Amino acid sequence: DGGITQSPKYLFRKEGQNVTLSCEQNLNHDAMYWYRQDPGQGLRLIYYSQIVNDFQKGDIAEGYSVSREKKESFPLTVTSAQKNPTAFYLCASSLDLIEQYFGPGTRLTVT
Amino acid sequence: ELKVEQNPLFLSMQEGKNYTIYCNYSTTSDRLYWYRQDPGKSLESLFVLLSNGAVKQEGRLMASLDTKARLSTLHITAAVHDLSATYFCAVFDSGYALNFGKGTSLLVTP
Repeated sequence: DGGITQSPKYLFRKEGQNVTLSCEQNLNHDAMYWYRQDPGQGLRLIYYSQIVNDFQKGDIAEGYSVSREKKESFPLTVTSAQKNPTAFYLCASSLDLIEQYFGPGTRLTVT
Repeated sequence: ELKVEQNPLFLSMQEGKNYTIYCNYSTTSDRLYWYRQDPGKSLESLFVLLSNGAVKQEGRLMASLDTKARLSTLHITAAVHDLSATYFCAVFDSGYALNFGKGTSLLVTP
C-alpha cells in the first residue's frame, strides 16, 4: 500500500534532549513537509523540501532541523533549543504541489 | 503575510439543520483546500478548489470559492452526527506550502 508513515505515534522526552521524528513515504513524491499543530490551532509549517538534498525553513523553523538524503525520507529533529516542543507533528508529501497528503502524525510530549 | 480566518471557530448544531462555515484569506491565491480532522487523528482531504467560482459537493458537504472576495464557504446540509469533527481551510501560500485557518470545531447533536 502506498502512503506516508510516521513513527512513533507517541513520543515522550525529558526537557533538554533532542528527539528525531520519522517520516517515510512510498508515493514517489518529490515534495515533503513538516507541520506542527497545537491544541485549538491550525497547522503551522516548520520545514519543507521540494527535492532531495534541499530544504527550506517555514514559519516556525527555530529549534528544529531536518535532512533530506533520500526521496522517501524526511526526518525532523526537535532540538533542546525549541522552547515549547510539546505538540502534534504532521508530515505531508506532494507530487504536483497541488494536493498534499498527510501522515498519521506523532504526538510529542516533553516534560 | 497571508492570513486565513475561519468563522465560526465553534459550532454546535442540531441534526437535520443546515449551516455554513466561512473562510476568508488576505492575499491573492488560486488554490483553497478544505480538510477534516477527527480528534487525535490526521487530516483528511475533503475538497480542493482551484479556480474562481469552483463548487464541489460530496454528500452533505458543499464547498465554493470566490477568489475576488477571497472567500470560501463550506455548506453543511441536513447535518448528521458523523459530521462532528474539526474542519480546516487552507490556502496555498507562495507556491510552496499551505497556510491554515484555526479550524471550526463542529458538534452535531440529536
